[in-house]
Amino acid sequence: QQQVKQSPQSLIVQKGGISIINCAYENTAFDYFPWYQQFPGKGPALLIAIRPDVSEKKEGRFTISFNKSAKQFSLHIMDSQPGDSATYFCAASKGTSYDKVIFGPGTSLSVIP
Amino acid sequence: KAGVTQTPRYLIKTRGQQVTLSCSPISGHRSVSWYQQTPGQGLQFLFEYFSETQRNKGNFPGRFSGRQFSNSRSEMNVSTLELGDSALYLCASRDGTTNEKLFFGSGTQLSVL
Repeated sequence: QQQVKQSPQSLIVQKGGISIINCAYENTAFDYFPWYQQFPGKGPALLIAIRPDVSEKKEGRFTISFNKSAKQFSLHIMDSQPGDSATYFCAASKGTSYDKVIFGPGTSLSVIP
Repeated sequence: KAGVTQTPRYLIKTRGQQVTLSCSPISGHRSVSWYQQTPGQGLQFLFEYFSETQRNKGNFPGRFSGRQFSNSRSEMNVSTLELGDSALYLCASRDGTTNEKLFFGSGTQLSVL
């Protein structure tokens, strides 16, 4: 029940295209859903996060879509750029700073020119 | 503010040895979490320390242990190393009371031969 599933494992997108990464969870107590971005040789960094009281959150070219009834959420990267090439992790926690953050297995995104 | 600092950056050990990894959190952060990152498995939660006490624990064997000092610096110890312990070990800090956002270090790459 603590698991967060993520797909696809890897993704190749043309420059200017839309990258879509999907995640699913089981634990209905999860209340906070962040996405982290990791470049080679670096630790992950928070990209964008959402709480279940909204169905969508947008920050620049990055959008999270959230479907509470399906227990799924996804990251959309519009106008994908080569600089977006990185590994993306979805995650979930119970929405307090006291709870552990559980990560999905990650998606390796390559944006080709 | 300085970021999260992990030392050493690389480590090579042989089976059966033990190893200690160090993490210095962002100034003012009282929570330190440890994650194991391997290809395909993503980030697996090891444990979290807050104000010198273990607050959350993942599903790792007892060979993996940690501690936190009064200045919030944390160490992780792995005893009786196995080949499967080869991984990138990431440390993340957060303030621990008001904000769920994790700030990661660049990790310690451990190779067990």
